[in-house]
Amino acid sequence: AQSVTQPDIHITVSEGASLELRCNYSYGATPYLFWYVQSPGQGLQLLLKYFSGDTLVQGIKGFEAEFKRSQSSFNLRKPSVHWSDAAEYFCAVGAQGTYKYIFGTGTRLKVLA
Amino acid sequence: DARVTQTPRHKVTEMGQEVTMRCQPILGHNTVFWYRQTMMQGLELLAYFRNRAPLDDSGMPKDRFSAEMPDATLATLKIQPSEPRDSAVYFCASGSYLTMSYTFGSGTRLTVV
Repeated sequence: AQSVTQPDIHITVSEGASLELRCNYSYGATPYLFWYVQSPGQGLQLLLKYFSGDTLVQGIKGFEAEFKRSQSSFNLRKPSVHWSDAAEYFCAVGAQGTYKYIFGTGTRLKVLA
Repeated sequence: DARVTQTPRHKVTEMGQEVTMRCQPILGHNTVFWYRQTMMQGLELLAYFRNRAPLDDSGMPKDRFSAEMPDATLATLKIQPSEPRDSAVYFCASGSYLTMSYTFGSGTRLTVV
């Protein structure tokens, strides 16, 4: 069955610390992978996406993600977190020729000053 | 930046009333989605339109929900009659089917009492 797992419901980091949010997927076809961020009261904003090619993807706001096929993972990273990064982060998977995303359940990030 | 505009932002209604939510997709986007977000279920796909044609509404309760795109600038989601369990945030998203990159609106927060 197709699924996306974000194992961490909540993560708390100090401002300036590094961040890694985990995402694991199960998908029969070649996956397209996405990370979205949702600030309180807002819609989802696309941070980055992976379709093919270089497995390290750069996104907006200083985020990057690495696709590891052998681990079925697409973890999101940021070297130094800012207080404004506090939000909920969603991983999603899709595939060429389809239109549906499968969203993970989200990871809520809290940033300590 | 181009935005997906959703109205109203907030709606409180009594059980049994009709609710209409509107979405103005980004001009030129040929793909429109309606999602529902709740704490319990996360993000659920309700309906999907491509080139204004409804291609998938399997996620919607057919007896009370309906989605339409009367023209390229307007998508609507109606609930009639509304029930307390419909309380949620409803998101519209638009984008390109080919790039699978979607822009979400800020949502309509619906409360049915």
